[in-house]
Amino acid sequence: GENVEQHPSTLSVQEGDSAVIKCTYSDSASNYFPWYKQELGKRPQLIIDIRSNVGEKKDQRIAVTLNKTAKHFSLHITETQPEDSAVYFCAASSNFGNEKLTFGTGTRLTIIP
Amino acid sequence: DGGITQSPKYLFRKEGQNVTLSCEQNLNHDAMYWYRQDPGQGLRLIYYSQIVNDFQKGDIAEGYSVSREKKESFPLTVTSAQKNPTAFYLCASTPFRGANEQFFGPGTRLTVL
Repeated sequence: GENVEQHPSTLSVQEGDSAVIKCTYSDSASNYFPWYKQELGKRPQLIIDIRSNVGEKKDQRIAVTLNKTAKHFSLHITETQPEDSAVYFCAASSNFGNEKLTFGTGTRLTIIP
Repeated sequence: DGGITQSPKYLFRKEGQNVTLSCEQNLNHDAMYWYRQDPGQGLRLIYYSQIVNDFQKGDIAEGYSVSREKKESFPLTVTSAQKNPTAFYLCASTPFRGANEQFFGPGTRLTVL
C-alpha cells in the first residue's frame, strides 16, 4: 500500500518569512495530492491540492509543487502570518482521490511574531 | 459549518465496553470515512464506504466495526477488541465519485478508563 512520509514534524518561522513542508510517497499509481490544515481544536480543512498532470499550483500565498519522478511534493507558504500557525498534513491517493487517502504524520508550524 | 456532525464531542468509557460514535451528514455525500488521529501519527483510515450498504476496511480496521444503512449515517463501533481505543476520531465525507475534497466533522475524543 501507499506510504507517505512528511518532514519536518515541527517548524518555527519568523512572521513574514517563508515555510516549506515536504512529503514523499511510495506508490507510483498515486495521482492526487491534497494538503490539509488543522488549527488547534478544529477539524482538518483542505487548503490546496494538486493532480499528477501538473507540476505546480498556486493560490495566493500558498503553493504546492510535485515531482513525479522523485515521488515528492511540497507545500510552500510565503509571507507567513500568525494565523498560519497550525498542523499541516499532506496526503496521497490514486484514482484522483476516489480511492482512500493516505496521510502524512503532520507538521506543526509555528509563526513567531 | 460543513453539514457533517459527530456526537458526542467527548466520550468516556470503561475498559471492555463497546461504544458507538455517531457521524451524520446532510450534504447528500456518497462516500464517508472514519479516521483515527493520535499525536505524531497523523490521520489513519479505519473504514470507508462509497455507497449505502457497502464498506471497506482501511489500514487499522481491527477492533472496529461500521454500518452504512442510510446514506447520511456512518456510525463507528469501537469494540473491546481494540487494544488502545483512546484517541481522537474524525469522520469525513465526499460528494460523489470524481470529487476529491474530503469534508471533516468536528471529531469525537474517546477516552477509555
